[in-house]
Amino acid sequence: EVQLVESGGGVVQPGGSLRLSCAASGFTFDDYAMHWVRQAPGKGLEWVSLISGDGGSTYYADSVKGRFTISRDNSKNSLYLQMNSLRTEDTALYYCAKAASGSYSYWGQGTLVTVSS
Amino acid sequence: DIQMTQSPSSLSASVGDRVTITCQASQDISNYLNWYQQKPGKAPKLLIYDASNLETGVPSRFSGSGSGTDFTFTISSLQPEDIATYYCQQYNKTFGQGTKVEIK
Repeated sequence: EVQLVESGGGVVQPGGSLRLSCAASGFTFDDYAMHWVRQAPGKGLEWVSLISGDGGSTYYADSVKGRFTISRDNSKNSLYLQMNSLRTEDTALYYCAKAASGSYSYWGQGTLVTVSS
Repeated sequence: DIQMTQSPSSLSASVGDRVTITCQASQDISNYLNWYQQKPGKAPKLLIYDASNLETGVPSRFSGSGSGTDFTFTISSLQPEDIATYYCQQYNKTFGQGTKVEIK
C-alpha cells in the first residue's frame, strides 16, 4: 500500500526557515517524480515544486523560486522541501504527492506551515 | 506560464441532477488535464486523467472530455456523497481555482 507521510510543519516568524519531509513507502521511490502542493486556509490548490525520480531535475512555481529547494534521498525513500525567507503568504497545508504520467494518484495527509509574527 | 480558468466557482444542484464544470487553458495543452475531488479536511483524490480517462475505482457517473484549451467535467447524476470541491489541473502543474458543489 502506498503511503506518504509529511512532517516538519510548524509556526515560524516571517523571514524564517523550515524543512518539510515526506516519508514514502509501498512503491519503488526512485521510479517516480515527486511533488509538493500547498493549500492556504480556505483557498485552492497551488502546485509548488517537482523533482524527478533521480533528483536531477527540479522545477518551482514562480511564487517560491529562489526561496524554496526541493530534494530527495532515494536511499531513505524521503522527499524534502527546504523553505527559506518565509512570508505570511506561505502559510498553508503542504502536501507531498506521487506523480504518475502527469497526475497525482497518491497524496499525503499534509503538514501545516504557519508564518506569523 | 499556462493559466487554468475554471467555472463556475460554486454551484448548487439537486440530487440526481447533471452537473457540468468547465476548465479553460490559456494555451493548447492537448489532453494533459486532470480532475480532482477534495472533500473538507481531506487530501484531493484523482478522478479523471488524460482529460477523459476514469481513475480505477471511480464511479462511472463522473466523466471528462475536451482537448486543446477547453475541457468539461460532468457528474451525470449528483449524489449526496459528491459534495466537494473539484479542481482541474494541467499536467504536473497549475490548478484551476476550484468549483464548490453543494446540494440544493
